Amino acid sequence: AQSVSQHNHHVILSEAASLELGCNYSYGGTVNLFWYVQYPGQHLQLLLKYFSGDPLVKGIKGFEAEFIKSKFSFNLRKPSVQWSDTAEYFCAVTPISSASKIIFGSGTRLSIRP
Amino acid sequence: NAGVTQTPKFQVLKTGQSMTLQCAQDMNHEYMSWYRQDPGMGLRLIHYSVGAGITDQGEVPNGYNVSRSTTEDFPLRLLSAAPSQTSVYFCASSYSNWLGRPGKDYNEQFFGPGTRLTVL
Repeated sequence: AQSVSQHNHHVILSEAASLELGCNYSYGGTVNLFWYVQYPGQHLQLLLKYFSGDPLVKGIKGFEAEFIKSKFSFNLRKPSVQWSDTAEYFCAVTPISSASKIIFGSGTRLSIRP
Repeated sequence: NAGVTQTPKFQVLKTGQSMTLQCAQDMNHEYMSWYRQDPGMGLRLIHYSVGAGITDQGEVPNGYNVSRSTTEDFPLRLLSAAPSQTSVYFCASSYSNWLGRPGKDYNEQFFGPGTRLTVL
């Protein structure tokens, strides 16, 4: 069965620090990959997505993610975080070959110290 | 477009009561799903549907029923509420690639605002 692992449960950074959040998935076939963000008190919003092509994808608010197929990873990065990036971040995966369910990771809470 | 709407926003139930959480979308999405969000557990899939008349179980289906009689609506029913079902519930929808239509952004989930449910 497909699964998604986010090993960092809570990350605390200072403003201007660089960010990398890990995401690994288990599925042998071709997948769509997503990062969603949930700001405090709000619902989830799409941050970026990978469908095919260039494995480095850029999203909103300066975020990017790199798909490394050999490592089954889709890590989220941002070179310089801001206090407003405080949120919970979820990685999600779905196979593209069938009408499959979409599975989310357990989330990483990011706290930014001003 | 209203997107994905959920009602109610808040609900308090007593143990053993039943209720239905409503979810509707106006984007003609084939795929709809229900998640529950609990601290430290992330989003767990309860049930999902790939089209009208088709539903399937997710990771945590026990105690919940769903039906999909129309493309727009995907209600979640709690049969006999238990304190363990205290959670925030999110409905989501997306295009699904299983119909083989090109040119769509399949699987990008659009979320509703959530329902905060407390079971006493």
